[in-house]
Amino acid sequence: KQEVTQIPAALSVPEGENLVLNCSFTDSAIYNLQWFRQDPGKGLTSLLLIQSSQREQTSGRLNASLDKSSGRSTLYIAASQPGDSATYLCAVITQGGSEKLVFGKGTKLTVNP
Amino acid sequence: NAGVTQTPKFRILKIGQSMTLQCTQDMNHNYMYWYRQDPGMGLKLIYYSVGAGITDKGEVPNGYNVSRSTTEDFPLRLELAAPSQTSVYFCASSYHQGGYEQYFGPGTRLTVT
Repeated sequence: KQEVTQIPAALSVPEGENLVLNCSFTDSAIYNLQWFRQDPGKGLTSLLLIQSSQREQTSGRLNASLDKSSGRSTLYIAASQPGDSATYLCAVITQGGSEKLVFGKGTKLTVNP
Repeated sequence: NAGVTQTPKFRILKIGQSMTLQCTQDMNHNYMYWYRQDPGMGLKLIYYSVGAGITDKGEVPNGYNVSRSTTEDFPLRLELAAPSQTSVYFCASSYHQGGYEQYFGPGTRLTVT
């Protein structure tokens, strides 16, 4: 059974700092990995999608890497801003697993001005 | 495109009542999903559908029913609501299998008292 773990559960940083969020998964047979952002009381916004054959994806100040063999992904946020404050969720689709996303519990990020 | 839309946004039910959560997508996606998100627990799959007329159970289907009469709509039915069904419900869709990106609706916050 696929399990996804995100560390840390919460992170508080000063504005301008570069930071890394971690995600690990137990079954390396995945189709892809997605990083989402969730603002309080809101839905999920997809940030980056990394296919299993890819090593990284970039969007603006965000860079996500994938090491499928070790079951790890990182989300790097450069020059953090208060507007980046949200919960970040990592999720994977496992091959042969009904196409469902298996989610981690998220990392709650607070960027202080 | 409106993407994935959900109604209602909020609802309070009494124990034993029934209701239907509506989900519509206008992206002509084949796959649709219902997830629930409990505080601090991540999202779990309730039901999913790979196309009109085809549905299947996810991880936590008990107490719910679904139907998929059209490509666009995927309603979730709660029968005999219980306090354990208090949660935030998200509908999502994706184009096809093989790990395509999933797009999420804004969610329905349900309280059962």
